[in-house]
Amino acid sequence: AQKITQTQPGMFVQEKEAVTLDCTYDTSDPSYGLFWYKQPSSGEMIFLIYQGSYDQQNATEGRYSLNFQKARKSANLVISASQLGDSAMYFCAMREEYNFNKFYFGSGTKLNVKP
Amino acid sequence: EAGVVQSPRYKIIEKKQPVAFWCNPISGHNTLYWYLQNLGQGPELLIRYENEEAVDDSQLPKDRFSAERLKGVDSTLKIQPAELGDSAVYLCASSLAGSLDAADTQYFGPGTRLTVL
Repeated sequence: AQKITQTQPGMFVQEKEAVTLDCTYDTSDPSYGLFWYKQPSSGEMIFLIYQGSYDQQNATEGRYSLNFQKARKSANLVISASQLGDSAMYFCAMREEYNFNKFYFGSGTKLNVKP
Repeated sequence: EAGVVQSPRYKIIEKKQPVAFWCNPISGHNTLYWYLQNLGQGPELLIRYENEEAVDDSQLPKDRFSAERLKGVDSTLKIQPAELGDSAVYLCASSLAGSLDAADTQYFGPGTRLTVL
């Protein structure tokens, strides 16, 4: 089974609007971390936001927030007030602490922000 | 603070030739990762080092790929001989704690784009 599933290969959003990128995960590890990365066309993976499995509150970093629903095993990224510079690939990833902290990436979502 | 440094940024070689990639992690980061990323896909781990020790090389094709991190700082990934299917982006990442902390964040270099002709 896939550890990380991103079901949206591509998304469009109008500039200044909010967008949600979906991510579901599969683990039996009681302790894990969830990450989102942005990869612009330049190729560098940029860390955006982290959510721990024991965190009670959803993580936020500026315009990024992580909608963590533990029972549903989902960790959706919400980008508010989209900007043209947000156009990029977005990857969801998970680290399983009891599995030697193995790190798994999803297949990514290509976000296009329209002016 | 300098980020993860990789070189070269681009490499074009003929099949069956050897190739090497170099990575210098963020200062103080004990854990170093090499990933392979095919076009339109997420990164796939090749090898993970904690200091000098390769703690996870289960996905490294050992018949043609090798890696080293002799002094626990910078690292080299080598392919010999290269095949057409090795064309991809090779990403290096580093993190502070590795196995010690589920919150440990990986920081990535710009990658090396390899083209095998």
